[in-house]
Amino acid sequence: GAVVSQHPSRVICKSGTSVKIECRSLDFQATTMFWYRQFPKQSLMLMATSNEGSKATYEQGVEKDKFLINHASLTLSTLTVTSAHPEDSSFYICSARTMGGRFATNEKLFFGSGTQLSVL
Amino acid sequence: QKEVEQNSGPLSVPEGAIASLNCTYSDRGSQSFFWYRQYSGKSPELIMSIYSNGDKEDGRFTAQLNKASQYVSLLIRDSQPSDSATYLCAVKKIQGAQKLVFGQGTRLTINP
Repeated sequence: GAVVSQHPSRVICKSGTSVKIECRSLDFQATTMFWYRQFPKQSLMLMATSNEGSKATYEQGVEKDKFLINHASLTLSTLTVTSAHPEDSSFYICSARTMGGRFATNEKLFFGSGTQLSVL
Repeated sequence: QKEVEQNSGPLSVPEGAIASLNCTYSDRGSQSFFWYRQYSGKSPELIMSIYSNGDKEDGRFTAQLNKASQYVSLLIRDSQPSDSATYLCAVKKIQGAQKLVFGQGTRLTINP
């Protein structure tokens, strides 16, 4: 299957600092990437949809000024958690789908390995 | 009502038995259904996808879809300890929509 690389896998930072997480599609071009957040023992919650060359679409309740998303190329999307606070501590996961024009029924998402963010 | 509902478990099954995981969804227009396996601290891994009513088998896994009843299930035959994980049901609401909605996951433990 397709490979999605996410970096870093774990980050510990002080409150008030900013953290950047990278998501790369290694063997395919991804016009669309998705960013999820998962708190312990809870399911994945979609934060935003990242589209190459355009602004991200944020889900209701997600602060776009706090969670900055940049999808500058067909293989790279970044999520920056600005002025992180302890309540932002979570497991952040990106996913990508292959380029293919019309969204096909049998398209599948490929997930990155996730980033565990701990804000002290 | 949650869009995608699963029993959070834990579900304990003896090794070698059949594990049965269930999921219901609220949007009758949903088109695509997925089961992901997630080990603790890791990202989800796609196990099965199913798009039409009936059964779909892949090795020890069988996905079952009943759109009239709005449920999808996953059967794991000959359960192994390595199958112990959280299983996430995901639903794509309508064709053309980009978003997957996940259930809260069922924690499965296979007892040797």
